[in-house]
Amino acid sequence: LAKTTQPISMDSYEGQEVNITCSHNNIATNDYITWYQQFPSQGPRFIIQGYKTKVTNEVASLFIPADRKSSTLSLPRVSLSDTAVYYCLVGGVGTGTASKLTFGTGTRLQVTL
Amino acid sequence: NAGVTQTPKFQVLKTGQSMTLQCAQDMNHEYMSWYRQDPGMGLRLIHYSVGAGITDQGEVPNGYNVSRSTTEDFPLRLLSAAPSQTSVYFCASSYSGVGDTQYFGPGTRLTVL
Repeated sequence: LAKTTQPISMDSYEGQEVNITCSHNNIATNDYITWYQQFPSQGPRFIIQGYKTKVTNEVASLFIPADRKSSTLSLPRVSLSDTAVYYCLVGGVGTGTASKLTFGTGTRLQVTL
Repeated sequence: NAGVTQTPKFQVLKTGQSMTLQCAQDMNHEYMSWYRQDPGMGLRLIHYSVGAGITDQGEVPNGYNVSRSTTEDFPLRLLSAAPSQTSVYFCASSYSGVGDTQYFGPGTRLTVL
């Protein structure tokens, strides 16, 4: 699977927009980009997934440039409850191949008042 | 619909003891995985299964065994517990593996003395 690189930590104030960028230089043609959120003492939770351009749902947007070597998770107007670790993963959807999913260390987002 | 359930939530073992961590899902997912998460670290894949009767090793398989006799259940066995296996263990399932949305259980916090 494509290796990903994210910032270790980020700080933000409540109400701001937060953008977390993930680098995945060796992404394969059939790989999708998926982001998960993890709160302390809980399992990761799916946030958003995309293949190219822009994807938006009720909690976040995902921006993927044409070369797909990076992606940016955008959280609009964060609140204290968005304090969590965010993981970027890259892998093929429904490939039937090994589920060797690598989460890495993620980005620890701290939101304060 | 319970999703992914794990038992027990907490467990303390002595070095050399064996035990089984239970994982079950009721979403009829083919793919199931076991991860461990050490303090301040990301998740590392232990073993995974692409369907009943089929299992394979992940990144850190040593000291663990798995079996998949049914679609619903994917137990993880610690053969002879060691302090290095102190961690939080998460089970996850997905419809078709890598890239597809993974649903995680609440985790089992294991301490080996």
